[in-house]
This record gives sequence, C-alpha cells and structure tokens, in this order.
Amino acid sequence: NAGVTQTPKFRILKIGQSMTLQCAQDMNHNYMYWYRQDPGMGLKLIYYSVGAGITDKGEVPNGYNVSRSTTEDFPLRLELAAPSQTSVYFCASNRELQETQYFGPGTRLLVL
Amino acid sequence: GENVEQHPSTLSVQEGDSAVIKCTYSDSASNYFPWYKQELGKRPQLIIDIRSNVGEKKDQRIAVTLNKTAKHFSLHITETQPEDSAVYFCAHGSGNTGKLIFGQGTTLQVKP
Repeated sequence: NAGVTQTPKFRILKIGQSMTLQCAQDMNHNYMYWYRQDPGMGLKLIYYSVGAGITDKGEVPNGYNVSRSTTEDFPLRLELAAPSQTSVYFCASNRELQETQYFGPGTRLLVL
Repeated sequence: GENVEQHPSTLSVQEGDSAVIKCTYSDSASNYFPWYKQELGKRPQLIIDIRSNVGEKKDQRIAVTLNKTAKHFSLHITETQPEDSAVYFCAHGSGNTGKLIFGQGTTLQVKP
C-alpha cells in the first residue's frame, strides 16, 4: 500500500490564484481529514469526511472547499489564495473512529 | 470549548533522563487521546493513544496517563535517547466524526 499520498509537494501561488491540493489513500479508509500547520504551531482541522459524499467543516474552513466523490480521494480546493493561507497542508485518514490517523507527507504552500 | 493546552512548549533533557509533557482539555465529551511525534520536515506519526475507559497505557519507554476528572493527560518518556528529539503533539477527540483537536506542540531536545 502507498498509504496516504499528496500532490504537489510544494507550490507557490500568487494572491488571488486558485488551486487544488490532491489527497488519495489506498487503505479503504472511511474517514479523511485536511489539516493545516503554520510554522511552530499545531495542526488545525480544515475539513473532514466520514465517507464518500459526506463532508463537514472543521475549525478553520474559511477560504477552502472539499469534495469526496470516492472513498479514495479527498481534494482540497483553495479559491482566491491569500497570504494567510501560506502553510503546510496535511491530509490524513483512518479506517474507524478512534483509530490511528495516518498522515500524508504534506504540501507546502506559499502565497505571495 | 474544544481547546487543549499543552505544556511545556520546549523541554530539554539529558540523555537517559525522563521527559513529561502535559495537556489539559475542556470538552467533557472527549474520549480519545492520542499523542503524535513529528520530526523536522516530516509528517506527524502516532506514538501512543489512550481511551477514556483506561487510566494508563504503556508501550516500552512511553506511557500515557489520563485523569478524566481533572481533564488532563500526560506523556511520559523514560530513558530518553537523542532520537526522541522531535515535536510532540497531544490531541483529543470525541463523538462520531473522528475529529481531533491538537495542542500547540512541545519541542523535546535530548542532549547526548
């Protein structure tokens, strides 16, 4: 299994541009999550999904959108990028509640 | 609320000494308490977790204790080694969504 994969690894965006961060898992996990981690800080939950077709907001959803059309994929969409969205974005998944969340390698995003 | 406070923010110990990191939460519905280790530039990885029906759990040199009445839980690392140097995050979760709320992190430095 490849586990949780994320693309791209690094991206520079100009203010106002849009992009999609890709996340995929091949472990048949029901639950998937998007976090952002600002320098020297903990992880903040952006959005999560409890299964295909079901998504919900986390702590910091403003400026982001997600979709979950398949069990495997959970893309995160940034519309109108702002400097405040400069961060490292981690995708994670787990099979059941209260089980280990497996993290992807992260996407480093710089908005200038 | 759902916040979690983590202390200390930095911790420096000599190799072989013990290290203790403490977290306090406020959500009385929380019932899952994982600890993650994050090495520089890497993804977070689960090192140990505990559920609310257990007061203590140990895995070799790592142990976690939970006091639900006082709403705090702690990570204990004994016989620390240089490879234990990393950032450690506590988290707590509840309900049927799998959402985790993370602490701010503790940077542990183990001096040889």
